[in-house]
Amino acid sequence: DADVTQTPRNRITKTGKRIMLECSQTKGHDRMYWYRQDPGLGLRLIYYSFDVKDINKGEISDGYSVSRQAQAKFSLSLESAIPNQTALYFCATSDESGRGAYEQYFGPGTRLTVT
Amino acid sequence: AQTVTQSQPEMSVQEAETVTLSCTYDTSESDYYLFWYKQPPSRQMILVIRQEAYKQQNATENRFSVNFQKAAKSFSLKISDSQLGDAAMYFCAYRPGVGQLTFGSGTQLTVLP
Repeated sequence: DADVTQTPRNRITKTGKRIMLECSQTKGHDRMYWYRQDPGLGLRLIYYSFDVKDINKGEISDGYSVSRQAQAKFSLSLESAIPNQTALYFCATSDESGRGAYEQYFGPGTRLTVT
Repeated sequence: AQTVTQSQPEMSVQEAETVTLSCTYDTSESDYYLFWYKQPPSRQMILVIRQEAYKQQNATENRFSVNFQKAAKSFSLKISDSQLGDAAMYFCAYRPGVGQLTFGSGTQLTVLP
């Protein structure tokens, strides 16, 4: 089974709708992240969380909110979806309990289309 | 703010040949880490190789190696003996010792049979 899972894998929604993307991990990592990927722009950080009580805005948080329901679960919400939020969304985790180059482990991505 | 630049949106290589993907970054930090991620058509993000800035020796992982030029702030990826399965989008990424990961815009690599 995958260590980082995302649901749904693909979603089409209409402008103005509320949508939630969910991420779960079995790696036992404290840190979780949400990124969006747009063609020609790479991945950009939306929100990140160091633990259940510590949530931080990333580079492009406007229009998004998150919830860390448990160590293993981190959800991204679009309160009122708009077409320019059409993108590929990734969840990632990392374990930074020691010193080193902290690899991030990515989920399979959610393709979101807002019409 | 840190920036990561990949100046080659697309590259191609003949199967079994060698290709080098370029990456430059801008930082005032002395403690940082650099990464190359691969994204095949399956869209899964896969770590290819990592480099700690304090290490002078260039990292290698089988057919993948890097040329880390700290003074020039350059971090290129060399793929030797290219295989069809190497075809993917490749992202360079930078992370300071304390801080978050910043990605470049990616290089789409095509491997020609």
